[in-house]
Amino acid sequence: GQSLEQPSEVTAVEGAIVQINCTYQTSGFYGLSWYQQHDGGAPTFLSYNALDGLEETGRFSSFLSRSDSYGYLLLQELQMKDSASYFCAALYGQNFVFGPGTRLSVLP
Amino acid sequence: DARVTQTPRHKVTEMGQEVTMRCQPILGHNTVFWYRQTMMQGLELLAYFRNRAPLDDSGMPKDRFSAEMPDATLATLKIQPSEPRDSAVYFCASGSSNRDYEQYFGPGTRLTVT
Repeated sequence: GQSLEQPSEVTAVEGAIVQINCTYQTSGFYGLSWYQQHDGGAPTFLSYNALDGLEETGRFSSFLSRSDSYGYLLLQELQMKDSASYFCAALYGQNFVFGPGTRLSVLP
Repeated sequence: DARVTQTPRHKVTEMGQEVTMRCQPILGHNTVFWYRQTMMQGLELLAYFRNRAPLDDSGMPKDRFSAEMPDATLATLKIQPSEPRDSAVYFCASGSSNRDYEQYFGPGTRLTVT
């Protein structure tokens, strides 16, 4: 089936840079989205990659390598408010599959 | 500002009862998604509508779940009869068909079935 893999937890300090990786299955893959979800909240859209390369949106960037079936979310200048869960989500035709999520803890 | 609304926000019900969850997508959005989130299974896509027509409901248990869009401003997800294993947060999300990957989520309905 179509499944994605992400690390379950990542910890970093304020001001640091952190990278959250996501691997996916290639068959039928169209593109990769990233979502942020704070505890008790709803997922919010961060970015989308359909082509290889880096997409930058402020402190957040997302990268995709289709040949490696791999992508990552890069968070720079970490702030306490970035503590949340981050999900990659792959578009396969008309089906969206979310990864299990990575819980990011930002320490002072 | 434009946002997806869901009602009710919380629902506690007994096993065997019918549960109906409602969603109002963002005005102008023509795709609607229903997701279920649990600690064990994560975020699962249950159903997906475009222009009110169901595109994919393969993730939904057909024997007890049903999803409809009576009009462009209302989507419903119904469980009948409900079971304790249905306890979860149910999210509705909406988007535009040319940007399906950018979904706007509602606040969710937290369902507890006892």
